[in-house]
Amino acid sequence: DQQVKQNSPSLSVQEGRISILNCDYTNSMFDYFLWYKKYPAEGPTFLISISSIKDKNEDGRFTVFLNKSAKHLSLHIVPSQPGDSAVYFCAASPSQKLVFGKGTKLTVNP
Amino acid sequence: ETGVTQTPRHLVMGMTNKKSLKCEQHLGHNAMYWYKQSAKKPLELMFVYNFKEQTENNSVPSRFSPECPNSSHLFLHLHTLQPEDSALYLCASSQANRNNSPLHFGNGTRLTVT
Repeated sequence: DQQVKQNSPSLSVQEGRISILNCDYTNSMFDYFLWYKKYPAEGPTFLISISSIKDKNEDGRFTVFLNKSAKHLSLHIVPSQPGDSAVYFCAASPSQKLVFGKGTKLTVNP
Repeated sequence: ETGVTQTPRHLVMGMTNKKSLKCEQHLGHNAMYWYKQSAKKPLELMFVYNFKEQTENNSVPSRFSPECPNSSHLFLHLHTLQPEDSALYLCASSQANRNNSPLHFGNGTRLTVT
């Protein structure tokens, strides 16, 4: 059973618009959440994180929102750029053992 | 060289071969990890090493044998693998004694078992 779920395998948006990537988790012990970005033939790179004591964290064009009661987090990218096209992984952790979702492939069309 | 480096990038091996994957990190981290990414599956944690000591073995078959000679190097020794072991193997590192230190990944070794 998957503890971290990314239910949308893919998402396509126009350049300049907002991209919203969603993630749900089941384990209430998770207290730290991360988003990773992966280009083909490269390893995942850390993008942004949020602790369970917060409900929002912002870094430039990237904002992560956490709704603990719904066990849901989302990554907003605005404005989206073609270089943002990649696979985005959500991950959650109570410790060093990060649990990953399957990923969402984002395509930003020029 | 900076970051996390994995070699080889691609490996094709037969079921009776023995091979090793190598990982080196230049970030001064003290924790290293092996993850496996199979097609259409989430990244799966295989092993964790903290300060060269193995602290996690996520029910990995014995045909995968990790080795961590120091905090900067990590190996994954492979023998008598099965075709279903074909996957992307990712090494990562982090700072174990800092809360919520994110993982830094290498670019992976794409393994094909024939």
